[in-house]
Amino acid sequence: ETGVTQTPRHLVMGMTNKKSLKCEQHLGHNAMYWYKQSAKKPLELMFVYNFKEQTENNSVPSRFSPECPNSSHLFLHLHTLQPEDSALYLCASSQAVAGGRKTQYFGPGTRLLVL
Amino acid sequence: KQEVTQIPAALSVPEGENLVLNCSFTDSAIYNLQWFRQDPGKGLTSLLLIQSSQREQTSGRLNASLDKSSGRSTLYIAASQPGDSATYLCAVNSGGSNYKLTFGKGTLLTVNP
Repeated sequence: ETGVTQTPRHLVMGMTNKKSLKCEQHLGHNAMYWYKQSAKKPLELMFVYNFKEQTENNSVPSRFSPECPNSSHLFLHLHTLQPEDSALYLCASSQAVAGGRKTQYFGPGTRLLVL
Repeated sequence: KQEVTQIPAALSVPEGENLVLNCSFTDSAIYNLQWFRQDPGKGLTSLLLIQSSQREQTSGRLNASLDKSSGRSTLYIAASQPGDSATYLCAVNSGGSNYKLTFGKGTLLTVNP
């Protein structure tokens, strides 16, 4: 247990569905991250939130919509996804991103399959 | 643009063997390098973090080295055990950001009893 939880752990959705991934951290961190891990590719950073404000959007398509209502929770809203969006989506958290290097703690991920 | 390469992509060894995993990166101006372990269907667990000013870090049977000038790091696992079977990921923190990590594709390690 790293102190970062993700739900659901597995998700199957059609291309017309709308679903949301949830991440919660119990570490008192102020920064949260979404990563995508596709087969045969390195982890890709998608979004970063620092004190609830988005500080990074790594050219992610608008069919992925993040939401950070507070420093402990992070959501990824999904709609009209494509089969190539099937991947493991990992959430991470760290201390606030200002003032030095910060270790990131990862959740177990949500395995997403888009049909 | 930073690129991280890990060799080999997969490795299978008998229990008890010492082994080395390799990581190379294209931009030597890094702030730190981190080795992670990922078990099937699970998230990442940080194993070792080496600051740019350090040459190596040790934790139990694991030893990570860093040669920043040549853009290389190795993860040495001594006396491997079946429980070490996992994917090992290397990530570097570089560029103008203090949080952006660039990951390699990983090495899938299988330790056979």
